[in-house]
Amino acid sequence: DAKTTQPNSMESNEEEPVHLPCNHSTISGTDYIHWYRQLPSQGPEYVIHGLTSNVNNRMASLAIAEDRKSSTLILHRATLRDAAVYYCILRAQNNNDMRFGAGTRLTVKP
Amino acid sequence: KAGVTQTPRYLIKTRGQQVTLSCSPISGHRSVSWYQQTPGQGLQFLFEYFSETQRNKGNFPGRFSGRQFSNSRSEMNVSTLELGDSALYLCASSLEGRANEKLFFGSGTQLSVL
Repeated sequence: DAKTTQPNSMESNEEEPVHLPCNHSTISGTDYIHWYRQLPSQGPEYVIHGLTSNVNNRMASLAIAEDRKSSTLILHRATLRDAAVYYCILRAQNNNDMRFGAGTRLTVKP
Repeated sequence: KAGVTQTPRYLIKTRGQQVTLSCSPISGHRSVSWYQQTPGQGLQFLFEYFSETQRNKGNFPGRFSGRQFSNSRSEMNVSTLELGDSALYLCASSLEGRANEKLFFGSGTQLSVL
């Protein structure tokens, strides 16, 4: 089964861009790449997802490598409210299985 | 629109007991999935229900079961509780449960087994 690998933690300064990497070298051709974040005492919150092309929404951008073996979540201007654990997840189209990485704990310094 | 509601928020049980957790999805969502979150194992997929049928199942023992009702509300049951079942149990809902859909998570039920 494909799985994701993320750094355990990252730090950023407020109002600076943050690039959160994720490796998924055994991804299958039909797996979607999803990102969610989780604040303390809350359930995960959807951030963004994509299949092959880069994606942008109001929260973030997702850059997917051409070979799809890695992706990067980009927060353009980090705020204190962005401090959370970010999960990179693969969702299989054939059986909707979800494989979670261990997540990256993002700390944002004022 | 109300979000995903999980009840109860906290639960304390003893070994050997059984427990039932409830999840009310967002109105109109037909897929409900369940997850276990522990500090050691992280987030793990338990199972997914769609139109009252279990469609996918993670790698958990048969003590973990669930069901979905005609109004899409779902329950999960854990029988013969073990200490290792202490965890945050999360449910999530989506429209059809497709891989390209957003999942909306509840705040979870924190289960402690003593």
